[in-house]
Amino acid sequence: QKEVEQDPGPLSVPEGAIVSLNCTYSNSAFQYFMWYRQYSRKGPELLMYTYSSGNKEDGRFTAQVDKSSKYISLFIRDSQPSDSATYLCAARNTGNQFYFGTGTSLTVIP
Amino acid sequence: DGGITQSPKYLFRKEGQNVTLSCEQNLNHDAMYWYRQDPGQGLRLIYYSQIVNDFQKGDIAEGYSVSREKKESFPLTVTSAQKNPTAFYLCASKNYGYTFGSGTRLTVV
Repeated sequence: QKEVEQDPGPLSVPEGAIVSLNCTYSNSAFQYFMWYRQYSRKGPELLMYTYSSGNKEDGRFTAQVDKSSKYISLFIRDSQPSDSATYLCAARNTGNQFYFGTGTSLTVIP
Repeated sequence: DGGITQSPKYLFRKEGQNVTLSCEQNLNHDAMYWYRQDPGQGLRLIYYSQIVNDFQKGDIAEGYSVSREKKESFPLTVTSAQKNPTAFYLCASKNYGYTFGSGTRLTVV
């Protein structure tokens, strides 16, 4: 079993839709959770960073962590064509070791 | 601006040839990483270095070599022993989070 599991998609939504991207993880020692956005032929860039459980909001993006179910979510409101990218979730333990999901490909159709 | 610079952006390799991918950072990070990214397989760790003059094999190190003579530089050599080198290669450095370069697309011709 991988440390972090992510549905690869692809996911295709109309512009303006609410997008939900999800990951699960297996190690309860993970304390920090991240979402990276990767445009085609580019490197991933950090989008959201959360510590432990709860929600974090940044503009149209909300990251949610449920440690009881070991579930990580990223919600995108009012999705735009510019949001079309691959989204990678990641988890980090206190020893600063990172584990990445395989990424979910998202296309927002105008 | 601080960041990771990878070059070249595109690289073509002939069969039996060694090629070197460049990675430079000006973030003053000690740790640097090389990942390979293939469709549907996510990021796979090739090599990493926690400090100058030291590096460790990752999950898929066979057919690759690295050096870390300077803190700023962590070049990756794809040797002829790597049988399936066509992929997107990402270099990264890490402090409390990863910073990635823009990647190098390597194609065997």
